[in-house]
Amino acid sequence: QKEVEQNSGPLSVPEGAIASLNCTYSDRGSQSFFWYRQYSGKSPELIMFIYSNGDKEDGRFTAQLNKASQYVSLLIRDSQPSDSATYLCAVTLLANSKLTFGKGITLSVRP
Amino acid sequence: NAGVTQTPKFQVLKTGQSMTLQCAQDMNHNSMYWYRQDPGMGLRLIYYSASEGTTDKGEVPNGYNVSRLNKREFSLRLESAAPSQTSVYFCASSSQGGDTEAFFGQGTRLTVV
Repeated sequence: QKEVEQNSGPLSVPEGAIASLNCTYSDRGSQSFFWYRQYSGKSPELIMFIYSNGDKEDGRFTAQLNKASQYVSLLIRDSQPSDSATYLCAVTLLANSKLTFGKGITLSVRP
Repeated sequence: NAGVTQTPKFQVLKTGQSMTLQCAQDMNHNSMYWYRQDPGMGLRLIYYSASEGTTDKGEVPNGYNVSRLNKREFSLRLESAAPSQTSVYFCASSSQGGDTEAFFGQGTRLTVV
């Protein structure tokens, strides 16, 4: 089983809709959880991180973490065409600093 | 502030040739990482260095070696390049292991023919 799994894509939503991106992880020792965004031909950049169970909001983005279910998600409200990118979920075992990524999901926001 | 600098940006190798990808960060980060990215595969961890003086294998270490030369620099070496190593390679660093944001270099596009 891969350590970090993301829904296969691509995902297409209309402008203004909510995009929901999901991620599961296999190691219960995972301590830190991240969402990175990667535009085509560019490097990944961090958009959200979350360490504790529950929700964390930052502008139009909300990260949700459920450690019991080993599940982390990202909600993008009022999606914009500029949100069209690949979103990568990443988790870390704090014990060894190993930062592991999922395969990513490509989001397309239709004008 | 340069952040994470990778060299070269592009490289074409013949099968069997060797090369070293260089990575340097100027943010005084403890942890550094090498990933490869192939279409539909996300970022796969090759090697990482949690702190100066330590290195560990990631998900896909075969065919690669690394050196954490000092706190700033973390190099990736391909001893005998194979077409399967054609990929985009990213170096990243973070201040305190995986507890903090990782910053990425601009990537190296490597083609092995």
